[in-house]
Amino acid sequence: AQRVTQPEKLLSVFKGAPVELKCNYSYSGSPELFWYVQYSRQRLQLLLRHISRESIKGFTADLNKGETSFHLKKPFAQEEDSAMYYCASQEETSGSRLTFGEGTQLTVNP
Amino acid sequence: DVKVTQSSRYLVKRTGEKVFLECVQDMDHENMFWYRQDPGLGLRLIYFSYDVKMKEKGDIPEGYSVSREKKERFSLILESASTNQTSMYLCASSRSWGRLYGYTFGSGTRLTVV
Repeated sequence: AQRVTQPEKLLSVFKGAPVELKCNYSYSGSPELFWYVQYSRQRLQLLLRHISRESIKGFTADLNKGETSFHLKKPFAQEEDSAMYYCASQEETSGSRLTFGEGTQLTVNP
Repeated sequence: DVKVTQSSRYLVKRTGEKVFLECVQDMDHENMFWYRQDPGLGLRLIYFSYDVKMKEKGDIPEGYSVSREKKERFSLILESASTNQTSMYLCASSRSWGRLYGYTFGSGTRLTVV
């Protein structure tokens, strides 16, 4: 079964500092990868997906197949980025079901 | 603008009760999912459904069942609630090609079993 690992449960940075949230997946095929975000008292929402090669709210994520990683990065963190972030993967053979990581709580301090 | 609606935001139930969590989506999505969200464990898939009257077990189906009689509604049933089922429950839906578009989530139901 596929597995998604986010090694950091908590991450704290200062405003303006770069931030990287780590994500590793265990699947040898070509999974589709996503980052979801949950702001305080809001529902979980899609932040970005690998297939779109997009940058949302200044965040980007690069797929490294050699390291089976999909780390989320932002060069200059903002206080409004404070939230819970989940990495998720979707296998080719699993239909539409997503497997989520444990989540990383990001706090951006003023 | 709300697309996935969970009927209750907070529920408190007693051990042994039968509990129904309801989820309705208005996007005509084929797929619907139930996850539980626990600190440090992330989201774990309980059950999912690709079509009306179809259901598939997820990773932690024990103690749960589901019902999907209509395309827009997916119910999670706790047959006999136990304290270890105290959690946040999230419903989600997606297109059949959800691989490209991801999920839309409901706001969650926080269930406490006492």
